[in-house]
Amino acid sequence: ETGVTQSPTHLIKTRGQQVTLRCSSQSGHNTVSWYQQALGQGPQFIFQYYREEENGRGNFPPRFSGLQFPNYSSELNVNALELDDSALYLCASSFPGQGSEAFFGQGTRLTVV
Amino acid sequence: AQKVTQAQTEISVVEKEDVTLDCVYETRDTTYYLFWYKQPPSGELVFLIRRNSFDEQNEISGRYSWNFQKSTSSFNFTITASQVVDSAVYFCALSDLKMDSSYKLIFGSGTRLLVRP
Repeated sequence: ETGVTQSPTHLIKTRGQQVTLRCSSQSGHNTVSWYQQALGQGPQFIFQYYREEENGRGNFPPRFSGLQFPNYSSELNVNALELDDSALYLCASSFPGQGSEAFFGQGTRLTVV
Repeated sequence: AQKVTQAQTEISVVEKEDVTLDCVYETRDTTYYLFWYKQPPSGELVFLIRRNSFDEQNEISGRYSWNFQKSTSSFNFTITASQVVDSAVYFCALSDLKMDSSYKLIFGSGTRLLVRP
């Protein structure tokens, strides 16, 4: 067990709605990254937060946004949900630095209907 | 462009067989890191190994071993004497250092390993 916890585990939303996913990072880790994993594919980087600021973003539209709190926990918000947003959303916490090992949570399975 | 290719979509072996999972990567960086992760049905990605681009020594950890070859841009993973509990999806990943000093993991599409009793 990595110590990274995500909530909720599963979620069903309707197209057009908004969703907030939560991540509690491993103790001592100040960097949180979010990934989207569509069925049968590898995870795709959404964005990264370091010390409460966005620190890098992947190829995702602005309706994907996030926050990091002083305790380094994080939220991922997705507005105007589309059917293609259905995926497993993974949160990873780490120390900063390219070679740092990222510890992943169990993910939130989002289904958009 | 940075890219990770896992050409094997699915591999099925009988317990106790050896199996090798292939990983080929592309990067412009001279310093980079390579990773292997295991994803069991529960969904959580489990870290297996990290290797930096300056260390080409092969590594063995129990039944697992890794062969890193910069000349062929490959980082292959071998499981010796496979067990049913090894059944999972395995991902190879490259750490991409971005211009703003942030970094991200670039994952391959994964190889699903099924170990049959």
